[in-house]
Amino acid sequence: DPKIIQKPKYLVAVTGSEKILICEQYLGHNAMYWYRQSAKKPLEFMFSYSYQKLMDNQTASSRFQPQSSKKNHLDLQITALKPDDSATYFCASSQEGGPVFFGKGTRLTVV
Amino acid sequence: GQQVQQSPASLVLQEGENAELQCNFSTSLNSMQWFYQRPGGSLVSLFYNPSGTKHSGRLTSTTVIKERRSSLHISSSQTTDSGTYLCALDRNNRIFFGDGTQLVVKP
Repeated sequence: DPKIIQKPKYLVAVTGSEKILICEQYLGHNAMYWYRQSAKKPLEFMFSYSYQKLMDNQTASSRFQPQSSKKNHLDLQITALKPDDSATYFCASSQEGGPVFFGKGTRLTVV
Repeated sequence: GQQVQQSPASLVLQEGENAELQCNFSTSLNSMQWFYQRPGGSLVSLFYNPSGTKHSGRLTSTTVIKERRSSLHISSSQTTDSGTYLCALDRNNRIFFGDGTQLVVKP
């Protein structure tokens, strides 16, 4: 959905480095999410936020930290990157109780 | 996701044939949604269908909450329908995805 903007579209990072994935939504939604999809694997839920507050965290590693500076922003900071972090990261949003819409994803490759 | 079971895992059709994709839930849900994932990876919402039947062009979605199932019917398939179809259930603000059905429509 063009109203959910993810930046960058592609990202190559060196092992051990830190990156921030950007997500902004202009749908007026109060809930935002991050999902991860590794090659040929199902979508994996990571985080959900509602009104800029963390609601659910299914990511075991503290290297993944969501950051919400504004109510329509939910960035994802990843530290100490590993090759296994290579995946496409999708941001999504919804009005609570309504349909979920996805951004086009950021494809991260860690070398 | 184990809470969402999709079938079949893959399906090959000749253009013009119909397809029926199934989604079964092992838990209660607030709502459910069907997505199409393009070969390039982006996700398109097809239906938000907590219950009943909805139509959109050649697509029909039917959800029967008390039977914990939903289906997606594609009529007169086209080569451009090829891709992955995902169902997802919303339970307490967490969205659980099935593993998807990979559809290939041959000309």
